Amino acid sequence: DAKTTQPNSMESNEEEPVHLPCNHSTISGTDYIHWYRQLPSQGPEYVIHGLTSNVNNRMASLAIAEDRKSSTLILHRATLRDAAVYYCILRAPGYNFNKFYFGSGTKLNVKP
Amino acid sequence: DVKVTQSSRYLVKRTGEKVFLECVQDMDHENMFWYRQDPGLGLRLIYFSYDVKMKEKGDIPEGYSVSREKKERFSLILESASTNQTSMYLCASSLPTAGRETQYFGPGTRLLVL
Repeated sequence: DAKTTQPNSMESNEEEPVHLPCNHSTISGTDYIHWYRQLPSQGPEYVIHGLTSNVNNRMASLAIAEDRKSSTLILHRATLRDAAVYYCILRAPGYNFNKFYFGSGTKLNVKP
Repeated sequence: DVKVTQSSRYLVKRTGEKVFLECVQDMDHENMFWYRQDPGLGLRLIYFSYDVKMKEKGDIPEGYSVSREKKERFSLILESASTNQTSMYLCASSLPTAGRETQYFGPGTRLLVL
């Protein structure tokens, strides 16, 4: 099963861009790349997802490498509210929800 | 906005007790999930349901059962609570758009089994 590798922690300054990397070298051609984040004392929340092309939404951008073996979540201007654990997840089509692995994620610390 | 609510934020139970964790979603989602979250282990799927009265085992179903009698409600049952079931329990729901679906999570229930 395809898994992801993320740094345990990262630090950023407020109002600066943040690039959160994720490696997924065993990704299959049909796996979607999802990002979720978990704020302290809350359940995870959806951030963004993509398949092959880069994606943008109001929360973030997702840059996917051409070979799809890695991706980067970009927060354009970090705020203190963005301090959270960010999870990069591969999701295969079909109804095997065992393939939705959250892993340990990257804990992002945002400094004022 | 999708809302997923869980019956309790914090729960303290004794070993051997039967424990019910309730989850309700208000967006008519077909899929519902129960996870547990432990330090260093991330989120692990216990059970999921893709329709009323339908259930599938996740990664760690041992010691748990589930019930889905109505579309909006998914219950997790600890038949005989044990201390190793002390954990954060998270419920989620989603539409069945395979691969692309967004899971919406509740706030979690932190269960302590003494």
